[in-house]
Amino acid sequence: RKEVEQDPGPFNVPEGATVAFNCTYSNSASQSFFWYRQDCRKEPKLLMSVYSSGNEDGRFTAQLNRASQYISLLIRDSKLSDSATYLCVVNDRAGGSYIPTFGRGTSLIVHP
Amino acid sequence: DTGVSQDPRHKITKRGQNVTFRCDPISEHNRLYWYRQTLGQGPEFLTYFQNEAQLEKSRLLSDRFSAERPKGSFSTLEIQRTEQGDSAMYLCASSFLGRTGANVLTFGAGSRLTVL
Repeated sequence: RKEVEQDPGPFNVPEGATVAFNCTYSNSASQSFFWYRQDCRKEPKLLMSVYSSGNEDGRFTAQLNRASQYISLLIRDSKLSDSATYLCVVNDRAGGSYIPTFGRGTSLIVHP
Repeated sequence: DTGVSQDPRHKITKRGQNVTFRCDPISEHNRLYWYRQTLGQGPEFLTYFQNEAQLEKSRLLSDRFSAERPKGSFSTLEIQRTEQGDSAMYLCASSFLGRTGANVLTFGAGSRLTVL
């Protein structure tokens, strides 16, 4: 069982749509949660951190549910430029350290 | 440029050869990570350093892989006796772990390895 699980998609949505991704993690002791964005053949880049109370950055809203061990990302009013892979990242306990552990990513395609 | 830089960007080698990748992190960052990524998968943790100390290694990291970070600055990742299964993108990332505990990674552009 992978520590961080995501639906790989692809999610194919029209411009202007609202789309949501979920990510589940297996280790209840995990700390710090993030969403990264990765464009084709590029490196991952931080999209936003995920806070316990939920947080919003423009069209993007992230939420954390510790009881059910999942985090979510909501994108409103999708733009063509939102097309990318969205990676869920959990700081997972490994040995004596917390290691940023990535899901496989969810692919989003926004079409005209 | 104050980002994370990796070299070489592309490496094609024959099976059995040794390869070495270099990563120059953001100078203020105290942590340096190596990840491997294959098509359709997320980055997979290999190892990380805090300053010059190598603190964790993935169980997936075979004895053919070795990483160093002399003087806590740049890092090298060497793969000995490469196999075709080593073909992947090798990503380096750095971060500053401060009192807040947040550990935000900044990635380099990666070194793509192809083993023939």
